[in-house]
Amino acid sequence: GEDVEQSLFLSVREGDSSVINCTYTDSSSTYLYWYKQEPGAGLQLLTYIFSNMDMKQDQRLTVLLNKKDKHLSLRIADTQTGDSAIYFCAERSSSASKIIFGSGTRLSIRP
Amino acid sequence: DGGITQSPKYLFRKEGQNVTLSCEQNLNHDAMYWYRQDPGQGLRLIYYSQIVNDFQKGDIAEGYSVSREKKESFPLTVTSAQKNPTAFYLCASSRENTGELFFGEGSRLTVL
Repeated sequence: GEDVEQSLFLSVREGDSSVINCTYTDSSSTYLYWYKQEPGAGLQLLTYIFSNMDMKQDQRLTVLLNKKDKHLSLRIADTQTGDSAIYFCAERSSSASKIIFGSGTRLSIRP
Repeated sequence: DGGITQSPKYLFRKEGQNVTLSCEQNLNHDAMYWYRQDPGQGLRLIYYSQIVNDFQKGDIAEGYSVSREKKESFPLTVTSAQKNPTAFYLCASSRENTGELFFGEGSRLTVL
């Protein structure tokens, strides 16, 4: 079945770049997403990429997609304390009826 | 403002009681979803509905029930049959073309 995996924790220094990685199994995924969750709140969509794209940039965010390796990454440039959150990778299943989420990566920022 | 509204934000339940979590959206989305979130496990799909009067089981539907009588509303009932109901519950609706999910702020259920 479909599966999405990501590492659980990442710690970076304020001002550095953060790179959060994700792997997925469904080769027929159409859309891949990055969501952000702050404590005690719902998830907010940060960005998404269509499966026929390799890269998407949106201000401080860069998404890279390697379809051959089924690998997705999110780079946050100039990481700030407000970026502390849990980041979820997700894919839209080939049946398009549901979204599969990874377990989330908790990003912490150190001064 | 358009969005998803979940209530209550916090709920306490005694064992053996059913509880219903409310989810309302004014985004005019056809599809709605309920997820359960446990620490370190990400989001697991409970039920989803792609259109009014129709819904399907997700990966962990046992002990839960839903209804979809109106486009705007997708309530979730956590029944006494759910063995471990303490969790954070998230409702979402989705934009049809991109599948982008819009989430509510969540409901935290604690069983005493």
